[in-house]
Amino acid sequence: AQTVTQSQPEMSVQEAETVTLSCTYDTSENNYYLFWYKQPPSRQMILVIRQEAYKQQNATENRFSVNFQKAAKSFSLKISDSQLGDTAMYFCAFTITSGTYKYIFGTGTRLKVLA
Amino acid sequence: EPEVTQTPSHQVTQMGQEVILRCVPISNHLYFYWYRQILGQKVEFLVSFYNNEISEKSEIFDDQFSVERPDGSNFTLKIRSTKLEDSAMYFCAVFGTDIQYFGAGTRLSVL
Repeated sequence: AQTVTQSQPEMSVQEAETVTLSCTYDTSENNYYLFWYKQPPSRQMILVIRQEAYKQQNATENRFSVNFQKAAKSFSLKISDSQLGDTAMYFCAFTITSGTYKYIFGTGTRLKVLA
Repeated sequence: EPEVTQTPSHQVTQMGQEVILRCVPISNHLYFYWYRQILGQKVEFLVSFYNNEISEKSEIFDDQFSVERPDGSNFTLKIRSTKLEDSAMYFCAVFGTDIQYFGAGTRLSVL
């Protein structure tokens, strides 16, 4: 069975600073996707970034980047130049690229950006 | 423009009542999903629906739950006899271009 673990329930960072959120996962599959979703107080699930397991290059989306370590089954999210609007819950998620493509989520990290 | 619209945004019901949560995808999709998030907890997979039938369901998705696409457009989640522990956010999602697009969710409050 696949599992996703986020070991940091809460984090805080000063505005304009950089913060890294951790995520580890466990699977015996070789082909899968990993995602980071942001959930602001509105509780809408917003895709932040995704990574295909077959790609060695780490994904980047503007201020957001990942450190994908396939052998270690680690997928951390780095937020650079943190902004107040980044305050939210962040969920790491995983899906294998076969079957139903269901997502498996971690327990989330609550990030607070301080002014 | 959101891929998925969910209605209602908030549903309040009495324990034992039936509720139907609705999901309307903007464009044609084949894969549909329902997820549940109890307040303060992680998002959990309930069921996936493909080609008008359930393709996978979790252990949470017991006989009290059912899904259907009655008119080929709306995708509904029905809870037959709600319990207090069904209080949660329910997210609909559709699969498109390697990712799932989530609706804004329906907050279900069972009193």
